[in-house]
Amino acid sequence: AQSVTQLDSQVPVFEEAPVELRCNYSSSVSVYLFWYVQYPNQGLQLLLKYLSGSTLVESINGFEAEFNKSQTSFHLRKPSVHISDTAEYFCAVSDQTGGYNKLIFGAGTRLAVHP
Amino acid sequence: DADVTQTPRNRITKTGKRIMLECSQTKGHDRMYWYRQDPGLGLRLIYYSFDVKDINKGEISDGYSVSRQAQAKFSLSLESAIPNQTALYFCATRGEGSTEAFFGQGTRLTVV
Repeated sequence: AQSVTQLDSQVPVFEEAPVELRCNYSSSVSVYLFWYVQYPNQGLQLLLKYLSGSTLVESINGFEAEFNKSQTSFHLRKPSVHISDTAEYFCAVSDQTGGYNKLIFGAGTRLAVHP
Repeated sequence: DADVTQTPRNRITKTGKRIMLECSQTKGHDRMYWYRQDPGLGLRLIYYSFDVKDINKGEISDGYSVSRQAQAKFSLSLESAIPNQTALYFCATRGEGSTEAFFGQGTRLTVV
């Protein structure tokens, strides 16, 4: 079984400051890793994912995450945030075996960007 | 139109009532999932389905049932709603061989 721990429930930050949202996972099998974003009153959207290959993955809006197998982490970072990045961010894992590929989510981190 | 549509978007119901939440998708995906979201708990899996003949319980299936009426439709039922089922419910789909899940807009259910 897999589990995901997001270490911060809320992260307040000023506009144009850097931010890191932390995610650790546990699993006895190889996993895929994801970050989803939920803007207010909306569903979840995929932000970025790690499947294999380069451990650093990037999104189109400036976020990046690095897979660290030894530390079982997949932290999300952005060097300079905008007001529009205010949202809730969910880290998730999915095992690589079998056909169901269930997503297991962390509890979420609420990012609040202040002017 | 949205690829994954949930109805209703909001619902208030009384304790003990039966309620059905519906999900339909136009993506042609075979895998469908129901999650509930609670503050501080993230999303937890209720049921998932591989196809119309395949229904599986997730981590929190007690008090819920589902029906996969067609590949494109997956309904979640609360046979006798209780207040602690008040939550935001999401339907999701995923295609075979794909790693990305697509989510509906959610149904906010309040049980009073």
